[in-house]
Amino acid sequence: EDKVVQSPLSLVVHEGDTVTLNCSYEVTNFRSLLWYKQEKKAPTFLFMLTSSGIEKKSGRLSSILDKKELFSILNITATQTGDSAIYLCALTYSGAGSYQLTFGKGTKLSVIP
Amino acid sequence: DAGVIQSPRHEVTEMGQEVTLRCKPISGHDYLFWYRQTMMRGLELLIYFNNNVPIDDSGMPEDRFSAKMPNASFSTLKIQPSEPRDSAVYFCASSFDTPSPLHFGNGTRLTVT
Repeated sequence: EDKVVQSPLSLVVHEGDTVTLNCSYEVTNFRSLLWYKQEKKAPTFLFMLTSSGIEKKSGRLSSILDKKELFSILNITATQTGDSAIYLCALTYSGAGSYQLTFGKGTKLSVIP
Repeated sequence: DAGVIQSPRHEVTEMGQEVTLRCKPISGHDYLFWYRQTMMRGLELLIYFNNNVPIDDSGMPEDRFSAKMPNASFSTLKIQPSEPRDSAVYFCASSFDTPSPLHFGNGTRLTVT
């Protein structure tokens, strides 16, 4: 079963709106949770959240990690058309004797003028 | 820093042909990952290497897929024989450590007809 579940699968908003993207997970031996933005090519790194860093902020983007409830959210305020992309959540954990990294299926965000 | 470099950018081949995808990781990165991305399944980890040694290849779909990393600056992913269901974007990524963020190449879009 999927270890990382993102919601919603897609979202359409108007410029200036605030959006919240969700990522829930279910693993033992959690190590970190990462957010990526994917436009037309490669995913680009946004944030990494760990037990020692459960809240991150960069400009209009911010993210928190709730290790007790096993979820993370990515907030984007005052959205712009350039925020249109697929946002991916990834989880790293220790499993089967090795380091594991699993991605969710992503949330497709469309920001319209 | 040139980033992760993948070649070719696009590959179109006929079913049954051998396909070789290439990757040059970022210098100094000890981890190299091969991912496959499709609309249906999202980003799937195929295999990853640490210090040129394959650590986890449980994501490799079947024996038609093989990957090598002969040195710290080069890796290949080979599909032989290729099938139409192998059509996808194949990403290579590298990281300095775990659970450090992955840096992705721009991917190879493979089409098997």
